[in-house]
Amino acid sequence: AQSVTQPDIHITVSEGASLELRCNYSYGATPYLFWYVQSPGQGLQLLLKYFSGDTLVQGIKGFEAEFKRSQSSFNLRKPSVHWSDAAEYFCAVGPFSGGYNKLIFGAGTRLAVHP
Amino acid sequence: GAGVSQSPSNKVTEKGKDVELRCDPISGHTALYWYRQSLGQGLEFLIYFQGNSAPDKSGLPSDRFSAERTGGSVSTLTIQRTQQEDSAVYLCASSPTGTGGEQYFGPGTRLTVT
Repeated sequence: AQSVTQPDIHITVSEGASLELRCNYSYGATPYLFWYVQSPGQGLQLLLKYFSGDTLVQGIKGFEAEFKRSQSSFNLRKPSVHWSDAAEYFCAVGPFSGGYNKLIFGAGTRLAVHP
Repeated sequence: GAGVSQSPSNKVTEKGKDVELRCDPISGHTALYWYRQSLGQGLEFLIYFQGNSAPDKSGLPSDRFSAERTGGSVSTLTIQRTQQEDSAVYLCASSPTGTGGEQYFGPGTRLTVT
């Protein structure tokens, strides 16, 4: 069965520190992979996506993620965290079949940033 | 430009009542999705529309849930005889065709069943 695991429910980092959020997936073929961010009371905003090609993808707000097929992982990174990055982060996987993408989400990682 | 909008933003209803949740997708987006976000279950896919048809309804949790889309635009998710376990945030997303499935999400409707 398709699934996404985000092992860290909650992470706290200091402002200016580096960040890595983990995501592992279970999927039968090469998936389409996404990272979304959700601020309190807001919908989901797409940070970045991987479909094919270069396994290191750049996103908005200085985030990047690396697809590692051998590890079934798609970890999100940022070299220097800002206080405004405090939010909940969701990794998602899905096929893209017949023109649509039924996303399967991980449970999310809540990021807190200390000043 | 305008993003996905949803209404109401909050809805409190009594157990057993019917509710309707509305989604206005981004203009020109042919694909529309409903998801549910709850504490116990995380983010779950409910239903997908392409135009006015719903090729995938596999995520609807029971026959109390239904959805329609008219004019290839606005969608309504209806929950009949609401139960407390229906309490959740209902998120709508839309996507243009041919973009590899990138979805744009609305702010959600928080439904509380008392």
